[in-house]
Amino acid sequence: RKEVEQDPGPFNVPEGATVAFNCTYSNSASQSFFWYRQDCRKEPKLLMSVYSSGNEDGRFTAQLNRASQYISLLIRDSKLSDSATYLCVVKGGGSARQLTFGSGTQLTVLP
Amino acid sequence: NAGVTQTPKFQVLKTGQSMTLQCAQDMNHEYMSWYRQDPGMGLRLIHYSVGAGITDQGEVPNGYNVSRSTTEDFPLRLLSAAPSQTSVYFCASRDTSYEQYFGPGTRLTVT
Repeated sequence: RKEVEQDPGPFNVPEGATVAFNCTYSNSASQSFFWYRQDCRKEPKLLMSVYSSGNEDGRFTAQLNRASQYISLLIRDSKLSDSATYLCVVKGGGSARQLTFGSGTQLTVLP
Repeated sequence: NAGVTQTPKFQVLKTGQSMTLQCAQDMNHEYMSWYRQDPGMGLRLIHYSVGAGITDQGEVPNGYNVSRSTTEDFPLRLLSAAPSQTSVYFCASRDTSYEQYFGPGTRLTVT
């Protein structure tokens, strides 16, 4: 089983739609969680950290479910500019320093 | 403030050739790392460094060497290029919050 798994998509949604992605992780001791965004042929960039209580940044909401070991990203009122690949990232627990990246979920927002 | 810079942007090598991918950051981050990204595989950690003079292997270190003589620079050396090393290579640095900053990437083709 992969450490971090994502549905690769692609998700094709119309402009204005709400779309949600899930990501599961296998290490129950994982401590920190992030969503990164990667545009085509560009480097990944941090979108948001995911906190235990859930957090929101404008149209984006991230949730963490430790019991079921998954994190989610909800995008409301999708814009054309949201088209990208969304990477789920997990930091292991204890002294682990490495971040483990999921293979990404591709989103295309259609006009 | 340039962030993380990488050179070259593109490179074509013949099997058996060696080369060095350059990476530099100006954010005074102690932690730097090299990833490769292949379709469907996500980002995989090659080598990382937690400070000048300290390096360690990641998930896929074979065929690559690194050194860290200064905080700013973290070059990646391909010892004898193979077609399996055709990939996009990203250098990254991060602070203690685990927010990772990536360079623009090097697209390497080995023929």
